Amino acid sequence: GDSVTQMEGPVTLSEEAFLTINCTYTATGYPSLFWYVQYPGEGLQLLLKATKADDKGSNKGFEATYRKETTSFHLEKGSVQVSDSAVYFCALSDLRNYGQNFVFGPGTRLSVLP
Amino acid sequence: SQTIHQWPATLVQPVGSPLSLECTVEGTSNPNLYWYRQAAGRGLQLLFYSVGIGQISSEVPQNLSASRPQDRQFILSSKKLLLSDSGFYLCAWSVQGLAGTDTQYFGPGTRLTVL
Repeated sequence: GDSVTQMEGPVTLSEEAFLTINCTYTATGYPSLFWYVQYPGEGLQLLLKATKADDKGSNKGFEATYRKETTSFHLEKGSVQVSDSAVYFCALSDLRNYGQNFVFGPGTRLSVLP
Repeated sequence: SQTIHQWPATLVQPVGSPLSLECTVEGTSNPNLYWYRQAAGRGLQLLFYSVGIGQISSEVPQNLSASRPQDRQFILSSKKLLLSDSGFYLCAWSVQGLAGTDTQYFGPGTRLTVL
């Protein structure tokens, strides 16, 4: 079945450092890809998404490019802030699996130190 | 715009007591609805999903059940809570878009502690 793998962390960075969180996926179809962010004690928020190969999703300085050839959707940010400390989830949606089409990765905890 | 509500926000219950968590969605029709559980420091576990009123699919056999009495209402229940039911419960909704894509949107969650 479909699956998502991401580095589990925790990832600890200093403020203004460059961030990369790796995400790779396995799917037999053509899924949409997502990054969600979860701040402490809150639900998940959609950060960005891409629906087809070579699409780039971006939001709040974060970017990720849908790479079909490497089945990857790595999250990047050029300069992280303390407020970016959160857990980040990579996910895919394969609409062939109607109703249970979302698959989430295990999440990566990011801590940004001042 | 669409909004999703969950209540209560936090709950402390003794082992063996019943449970009822509620989720409601506003601003959309016929959404797919989902219940997830997140144990402390862990990822998401899909518990139930529903594609319509009265249609419930269970992903994990356990002492929990779900119901969808109205189009935009999703309820998670238990007759007798176990210690292992403690966790953060998240409700989510999605609607398949015109382009065939599907995005899930999450509620604020309910923190359940079973003592």
